[in-house]
Order: sequence, then C-alpha cells, then structure tokens
Amino acid sequence: RKEVEQDPGPFNVPEGATVAFNCTYSNSASQSFFWYRQDCRKEPKLLMSVYSSGNEDGRFTAQLNRASQYISLLIRDSKLSDSATYLCVVNIYNFNKFYFGSGTKLNVKP
Amino acid sequence: NAGVTQTPKFRVLKTGQSMTLLCAQDMNHEYMYWYRQDPGMGLRLIHYSVGEGTTAKGEVPDGYNVSRLKKQNFLLGLESAAPSQTSVYFCASHGGKNIQYFGAGTRLSVL
Repeated sequence: RKEVEQDPGPFNVPEGATVAFNCTYSNSASQSFFWYRQDCRKEPKLLMSVYSSGNEDGRFTAQLNRASQYISLLIRDSKLSDSATYLCVVNIYNFNKFYFGSGTKLNVKP
Repeated sequence: NAGVTQTPKFRVLKTGQSMTLLCAQDMNHEYMYWYRQDPGMGLRLIHYSVGEGTTAKGEVPDGYNVSRLKKQNFLLGLESAAPSQTSVYFCASHGGKNIQYFGAGTRLSVL
C-alpha cells in the first residue's frame, strides 16, 4: 500500500474555474503536510504547508483532516499559469522521511 | 542564491558503467536526500542523510551508494549501472522546518 495516494488526473478546467484535489495518507504518525508544485521537466517547489486548522494563500486553500487522513487543495479562479502537477507530501518526524504522492496533473485551458 | 546544485544535468551511460552524482547546498542544511522520479510513480527516496558523516537507506536503495563527507555535499554513486536506473534524480535539503529545497535534477539514461 502506498504511503500517499493521489488521483493522477488530468484535471482539465477552463480559466476562472475552481478545482479541488484530494490526497490520502496511510500512516497516522504523519506530522507535517505539504503541497508542492512541479512544472514539466522541472524540480518540485513548495506551494504551501498544510496546517491542522486549514490555511489559505491567495487563491489557494489547504485543508487537513487527521481523522480521515486526507489533505485537500482548493484552487479558485484558475489561471493558465496554474497548469502543473501538484504533489502531496507528508513527513514523519521520527524517520526524517518525506513521502510523496504520484501527483495530480492540472491543465487550465483558455 | 545557488540553493541546491546538482551536477551533471544529463548523462548517458552504458550498462555496467559507474558514475557519481553530486549535490551541493549552500544553506547550511543538516538534512539531505536523494530521490528518483519515474513516470506515474512520484518521487521515491533512495538514501538520505541527517548530518555530516551519516547516511541511511530509503525506499529504493539497491544499486546505489552515498556519502556525506562534508555537510554541504551529498554524493550518489552507481557502481554498475542498469537500464532500470534510467530515471530523473533529484537531490533535496532542508534545515529543520521540513520545507525541502530541490536541485534542478539529473536526467540519466542507461543503455
């Protein structure tokens, strides 16, 4: 069983749409959660950390549900520049390891 | 601001050849990681280091060795390359806040 699972997509949405991605994790000892963005043939870059109370950064909102062990990312008013693959990442402190989902591909079309 | 630098960026090897990938970070980070990324499989951890002189195995360590002789450098070695090691390799580091910074990647083909 994978540590982190994501819907691979692709999600094809028009500009201005709202789109949501979910991610589930299997290890209840997971303590830190992140969304990274990866552009084609580039390295992953941090989009945002995910906090227990939920957090927002501009058009992006992240939520964490520890009881159900899932993380979500909501993108409002999608832009063409949001087209990328979004990686869900969890960290387990005791093992100093990060586990990555396989990514969800988003295509925003004019 | 260099951040994390990987060399080389591209490499083609023949089966059985050896090579070393170099990762250098200038952020004084304790933690460094080597991942491989294959289509549809996300990033998988090969080896990691929690400080100078220490290394540990990740999810897919077979066929690879690592060394962390200096805090800023983390080397990944392939002793006898196999076609199954064709992949994109990413190095990352973090300094305690668990935010990883990645290098630009090394694209390796093993023929």
